[in-house]
Amino acid sequence: EVQLVESGGGLVQPGGSLRLSCAASGFTFSSYSMNWVRQAPGKGLEWVSYISSTSSAIYYADSVKGRFTISRDKATNTVYLQMNSLRAEDTAVYYCARQIYFDCWGQGTLVTVSS
Amino acid sequence: EIVLTQSPATLSLSPGERATLSCRASQSISNSLAWFQQKPGQAPRLLIYDASNRATGIPARFSGSGSGTDFTLTISSLEPEDFAVYYCQQRSSWPPLTFGGGTKVEIK
Repeated sequence: EVQLVESGGGLVQPGGSLRLSCAASGFTFSSYSMNWVRQAPGKGLEWVSYISSTSSAIYYADSVKGRFTISRDKATNTVYLQMNSLRAEDTAVYYCARQIYFDCWGQGTLVTVSS
Repeated sequence: EIVLTQSPATLSLSPGERATLSCRASQSISNSLAWFQQKPGQAPRLLIYDASNRATGIPARFSGSGSGTDFTLTISSLEPEDFAVYYCQQRSSWPPLTFGGGTKVEIK
């Protein structure tokens, strides 16, 4: 069974940092690109970042460029999102999703940025 | 950046009725459009990819059509479990990958 499981969310103060993880199983992780997508409370979906299967291509939404870093580890089948300089507007449920087709999603992890 | 505009924002229908949801792109995206369903407290689920192809396990009552700038998701006969929010998403010209604002299908 294809599965994505996010972790690492929580409450953080403005200006703080957090690292999210997404553990993949049930498919050949090294063959698939991955994304992070977020959803602010009561709002729609916003793509955040993309990493290709080999990490050779990485892209970010303008709203997080320079603050967030995506990476992946083929040894542990995990994709990460390092989030620095967090702002209140980064408060959201963060999902990892497979490929630019978004054909598989995790359950999400909530990040709350508040003092 | 390609902007996707979904209409209507809310669709009030009864079980058994036909639902027609629209997604319009700010420029041509060929057939590079997907539709997702999201229920409260759940992650989105892929329904349709490349405008008209049903994803694995998606019932035949869901169909997608369109190309260029105008796309439609049709639910032929609403089941109780179909009341949810639906999003369109384009992968034609990116980054960024973009989503529409969503259409909520609610019980009338």
